[in-house]
Amino acid sequence: AIRLTQSPSSLSASTGDSVTITCRASQGITNYLAWYQQKPGKAPKLLIYSASALQNGVPSRFSGSGSGTYFTLTITSLQSEDFATYYCQQYYYFPPLAFGGGTKVEI
Amino acid sequence: EVQLEESGGGLVQPGGSLRLSCKVSGLTFSSYSMNWVRQSPGREPEWISYIGKGGSTIYYADSVKGRFTISRDDAKNSVSLQMNSLRAEDTAVYYCATGYSNYAHFDYWGQGTLVTVSS
Repeated sequence: AIRLTQSPSSLSASTGDSVTITCRASQGITNYLAWYQQKPGKAPKLLIYSASALQNGVPSRFSGSGSGTYFTLTITSLQSEDFATYYCQQYYYFPPLAFGGGTKVEI
Repeated sequence: EVQLEESGGGLVQPGGSLRLSCKVSGLTFSSYSMNWVRQSPGREPEWISYIGKGGSTIYYADSVKGRFTISRDDAKNSVSLQMNSLRAEDTAVYYCATGYSNYAHFDYWGQGTLVTVSS
């Protein structure tokens, strides 16, 4: 089964900073990758799909890039509401759909 | 507004059974495939089951195959997950989720329902 490895597993940042999270796939998945944001006690929220397409309503400070096996999520000018855990998910191989281990962005 | 609402979670003993339901509103339910995704405390989400439009295509994760059964009722705009032979490792928040594309990312999620398997 395909594996997604996120790094770092956690990071500390301040409001106004820019951060980049990486997601590596164990096999090529072209651009079939999504990014989610999850806050405690809430369901994940879709931010980006097709590696770089911004979901409706998601602020433009979120951006995604990559293809094949290497992907990144960048958040520019961090806001207080951005402190959360972020997951990547592949949908090139199915079943199963796979999620990465997560990256917690902390103040 | 699209809404997904799960119900049926609770405390169950190992080996026991539980049936989860997810009621969907705000979209043409029969036109969407549906999924169940679970998340154990402190872990990443885990996709566990898919049911296609019309219910003819069904998939399960290896971790639940043979124990869980997904079904849908388009007349009631709902999807269910029958969980049998429950184990401690099935303890998780269970979400129903869907999206505009089959076998893809999830545009919509419910709020989740907690299943705890413990004696």
